[in-house]
Amino acid sequence: DAGVTQSPTHLIKTRGQQVTLRCSPISGHKSVSWYQQVLGQGPQFIFQYYEKEERGRGNFPDRFSARQFPNYSSELNVNALLLGDSALYLCASSLGLLRQGRDYGYTFGSGTRLTVV
Amino acid sequence: GNSVTQMEGPVTLSEEAFLTINCTYTATGYPSLFWYVQYPGEGLQLLLKATKADDKGSNKGFEATYRKETTSFHLEKGSVQVSDSAVYFCALTSGGTGANNLFFGTGTRLTVIP
Repeated sequence: DAGVTQSPTHLIKTRGQQVTLRCSPISGHKSVSWYQQVLGQGPQFIFQYYEKEERGRGNFPDRFSARQFPNYSSELNVNALLLGDSALYLCASSLGLLRQGRDYGYTFGSGTRLTVV
Repeated sequence: GNSVTQMEGPVTLSEEAFLTINCTYTATGYPSLFWYVQYPGEGLQLLLKATKADDKGSNKGFEATYRKETTSFHLEKGSVQVSDSAVYFCALTSGGTGANNLFFGTGTRLTVIP
């Protein structure tokens, strides 16, 4: 079975441009989350989507947006890129949202390395 | 709020040495606790987890015990190998219901030398 797949693997953009990153979850997983990992830091939560609805948002500016499609794949969009947006963007999929007493856990993709110049 | 404080690295050990990476947390509710590992150029892999107090997570010779009284989840391995060289992240989810995003520590880089 395929794991979580992300595309592209690497990307170079210029300041001010816009970028779209893509993620396909594990088959049967209905929740997708996005994380930003700046070099030398731990990942920071950006968004979580479940059944095409936003279920959680981290402390990121409105330049960051995302959506989830009927097949549960997801896109992360970043507008007006800044140098500080350079990072590894990780997608994680899960069967569903947390339920009382049950934590489904996450499977991470290998990430998209975004460099803003 | 929710946060994780991890032992700063880098950590360099000789093969077969004992490993401890300290992790303490602050959380509302009843968090689940995790250790993730990141090998060079790769994403995160779940190493082990514990979902309630006094649970011990274990995998590939690594162990960590959920200590509510000390709010800690220290990672240990009795005998490290060169292949264990990676960055290790302690993390938690906040418990409750709904969105269960992970809060990560800053990571600890481990290098094991032959």
